[in-house]
Amino acid sequence: DAKTTQPPSMDCAEGRAANLPCNHSTISGNEYVYWYRQIHSQGPQYIIHGLKNNETNEMASLIITEDRKSSTLILPHATLRDTAVYYCIVRPLYTDKLIFGTGTRLQVFP
Amino acid sequence: DSGVTQTPKHLITATGQRVTLRCSPRSGDLSVYWYQQSLDQGLQFLIQYYNGEERAKGNILERFSAQQFPDLHSELNLSSLELGDSALYFCASSVRPAGGVGNEQFFGPGTRLTVL
Repeated sequence: DAKTTQPPSMDCAEGRAANLPCNHSTISGNEYVYWYRQIHSQGPQYIIHGLKNNETNEMASLIITEDRKSSTLILPHATLRDTAVYYCIVRPLYTDKLIFGTGTRLQVFP
Repeated sequence: DSGVTQTPKHLITATGQRVTLRCSPRSGDLSVYWYQQSLDQGLQFLIQYYNGEERAKGNILERFSAQQFPDLHSELNLSSLELGDSALYFCASSVRPAGGVGNEQFFGPGTRLTVL
């Protein structure tokens, strides 16, 4: 079973920041938080991952709370091409098996 | 383009038949993963191979099998097909085997299997 809880859907205006929350209250010390997205029926795309510090790359920022029980993926300037299902995944360090939940369907509108 | 290729893109077959899905990983990647995405089950991990050896197993049915060849491409064999096997099948690859930071998986475009 997925160890994360995400809202089923969110909307965001183009050009605004999209903030996607994820709850992972049972996360343990050797587990990372990963984010992937799936545009329509394409293969999932890696976005970002983190352990306890905030992370930023060219695609997004990841904010992890101090107790590590929740995190937020931030797309700073959403575009129409960011419309997708976003998956928050908790992955133990010792395995590569990704357990996908139901994700958040983000709709970016003009 | 992730660099992972999958063939065929679409496959239509009948119940009881057997099919083979093919995956070529990114250049330099030694690990290959197979996932199934159906409407009712979502994205599910099936199996992982690293450098020709089975590394991890997920919810893979006994009617399904996979292998990774010396050139690192992988094949997923599905036999005695049932209507419920209709799904998108994704292959992913990564550089290293289990664990570690930075071992992101890169997914291919998928094969859509329809069983009639």
